Amino acid sequence: GENVEQHPSTLSVQEGDSAVIKCTYSDSASNYFPWYKQELGKRPQLIIDIRSNVGEKKDQRIAVTLNKTAKHFSLHITETQPEDSAVYFCAASKVGTGRRALTFGSGTRLQVQP
Amino acid sequence: DGGITQSPKYLFRKEGQNVTLSCEQNLNHDAMYWYRQDPGQGLRLIYYSQIVNDFQKGDIAEGYSVSREKKESFPLTVTSAQKNPTAFYLCATNPGTSGKETQYFGPGTRLLVL
Repeated sequence: GENVEQHPSTLSVQEGDSAVIKCTYSDSASNYFPWYKQELGKRPQLIIDIRSNVGEKKDQRIAVTLNKTAKHFSLHITETQPEDSAVYFCAASKVGTGRRALTFGSGTRLQVQP
Repeated sequence: DGGITQSPKYLFRKEGQNVTLSCEQNLNHDAMYWYRQDPGQGLRLIYYSQIVNDFQKGDIAEGYSVSREKKESFPLTVTSAQKNPTAFYLCATNPGTSGKETQYFGPGTRLLVL
């Protein structure tokens, strides 16, 4: 089955700096890659997603890039703010056929220092 | 996310006891999922259902059971066979139609063993 690896496990940046979180996946048939933000004790919230027919997607300070050949995708947060502090999870799935459930990475704890 | 409810918020289980976690949705979504989250880790898939009266095992189904008798409801039973049930349990839904892959999460149930 699918395996998703996520790095780094923790990331500390100064307010205003950029943060990059990277994920690799194993199943070349995966075609949907969402990113979730989870605050302590809360449910994961979708922040951005990308499909395999797109190489990059941006939403204000957040962007995701996908390299299908290398089977990796990354989350980029620019101009970080203290409220960006949370745990971020990447995930992968094969939509359209069979199992649609997400396989998650192990998470990255992002700390933005004021 | 407001259309998915999970109850109870906290649940205590005694040794040898079966407990049932509730997940209800009013989003008219076909697909529903159960994930388990252990501290500092990602989410792992327990069971999923893509349509009423049908469900499939996920990656860690042993010691758990589900039913899907109604579209709105997907309860999870943690049986006494699950030896380490302490975790945060998250229910998720998805429209189940092509082009709408986003999964929405409920607020979660935290299960503790007495």
